[in-house]
Amino acid sequence: DAGITQSPRHKVTETGTPVTLRCHQTENHRYMYWYRQDPGHGLRLIHYSYGVKDTDKGEVSDGYSVSRSKTEDFLLTLESATSSQTSVYFCAIGQGGDEQYFGPGTRLTVT
Amino acid sequence: AQRVTQPEKLLSVFKGAPVELKCNYSYSGSPELFWYVQYSRQRLQLLLRHISRESIKGFTADLNKGETSFHLKKPFAQEEDSAMYYCALSVSLSARQLTFGSGTQLTVLP
Repeated sequence: DAGITQSPRHKVTETGTPVTLRCHQTENHRYMYWYRQDPGHGLRLIHYSYGVKDTDKGEVSDGYSVSRSKTEDFLLTLESATSSQTSVYFCAIGQGGDEQYFGPGTRLTVT
Repeated sequence: AQRVTQPEKLLSVFKGAPVELKCNYSYSGSPELFWYVQYSRQRLQLLLRHISRESIKGFTADLNKGETSFHLKKPFAQEEDSAMYYCALSVSLSARQLTFGSGTQLTVLP
C-alpha cells in the first residue's frame, strides 16, 4: 500500500462535538483528498488540497473544514458533528495524474 | 456538472459466467474514465483506466462516447472478483478531481 495512514481508524462521538481526522502520507504527493463513503452515494469529495495551505471545496463541504500545514498531513475537521456525518471517511493522495491512492478509511459514528 | 451512474447496486453471477458492470456518465468535455475496486478489508485501488486500453485481471472496459458508457467486462468471472466496483470520471481541473459513481457490489457465486 502507498504510504498513507489515517487516524483514528474508528471513532464514536456525540452530536455537537468537534472531531478531527488525520491523514498522513510518506509519498510526498502534491495532492490530497478527503472523501466520504455512504451506501447509495459511493464516494463523494469533501475537500482537497493541491499544496501546502492550498485547499478547495468539493461536492459535500458543508460542515467540514480542512488544513494542510505540511506536505505530509491533511486534517479534516467536523466543526460540530451531526448524525448525518456518520460515515466512512477516506483520504487519498495523488501526483496530479489520474490515479489516486487511498488510505484505509476512518469509520465515524455520531450519536 | 459531471455525473457518473452505476445502475446496479448489487450484481450476482456464477463462477465462469460472463460479467458486465454498467457505467454511464454525463460530461460535456473529453472524459477520462476509470474503474476502482475495493476488495473486502482492502483499500480502494485503481483497476483500470480507459486511456491505457489494458486488461487487468481479465477485465476490460471500452469507452463509448456515443452512448456515454464505460462498462466493465470479464468473460469468465472468478470468486476472487467479488468486490465493490466504482466507476469514476476525471475532470481536468487543477487538482485532477474524480467523480465517483455509487458503486456496484459484485458477488461471484461458486
